[in-house]
Amino acid sequence: AQTIHQWPVAEIKAVGSPLSLGCTIKGKSSPNLYWYWQATGGTLQQLFYSITVGQVESVVQLNLSASRPKDDQFILSTEKLLLSHSGFYLCAWSLNRGDAEQFFGPGTRLTVL
Amino acid sequence: QQKVQQSPESLIVPEGGMASLNCTSSDRNVDYFWWYRQHSGKSPKMLMSIFSNGEKEEGRFTVHLNKASLHTSLHIRDSQPSDSALYLCAAANYNVLYFGSGTKLTVEP
Repeated sequence: AQTIHQWPVAEIKAVGSPLSLGCTIKGKSSPNLYWYWQATGGTLQQLFYSITVGQVESVVQLNLSASRPKDDQFILSTEKLLLSHSGFYLCAWSLNRGDAEQFFGPGTRLTVL
Repeated sequence: QQKVQQSPESLIVPEGGMASLNCTSSDRNVDYFWWYRQHSGKSPKMLMSIFSNGEKEEGRFTVHLNKASLHTSLHIRDSQPSDSALYLCAAANYNVLYFGSGTKLTVEP
């Protein structure tokens, strides 16, 4: 069975500090991977997607970047956090098919102070 | 402008009642529709998908899709307090999934 793990579970960071969030998928080779962000009470927005190692496409510009260094790993980062980066960050995976369901990880709660 | 609009924003139904949720996309390039359920503080879980015109039923849940109007609806019969959650509609265009802002469903015992 496939499992998706996100780290850390929660993070409190200062404005202007760097950030790195991680996601790993086990039990599935060559999945599509996705990063989402949900502000408290806000709409879930897709930020990035990746269909293969080393290739990442941006969907929404939020002064964040993403990388896929390994087939099973997806990283979200920024060098300088803004207050507006606070929220719930979710990683998801799917098969490489247009009609494929996306399976979400447990999420990382980020608070920027 | 949001590509996926959901209504109502919130809905209260009595236990055993019927809940009806609506969703419309403004993007004619979307091909597939999903309904996800998200409990407070948790990640979304897929409830049902629908890709063709018509109706699909799974247990107490029924979804309808009209591709001409890009409108989908979710109906929950015999609603239970455990159905209380945020219901999210999503529409896909290739590898991008657009979510609506959700309908908050409360089922009162």
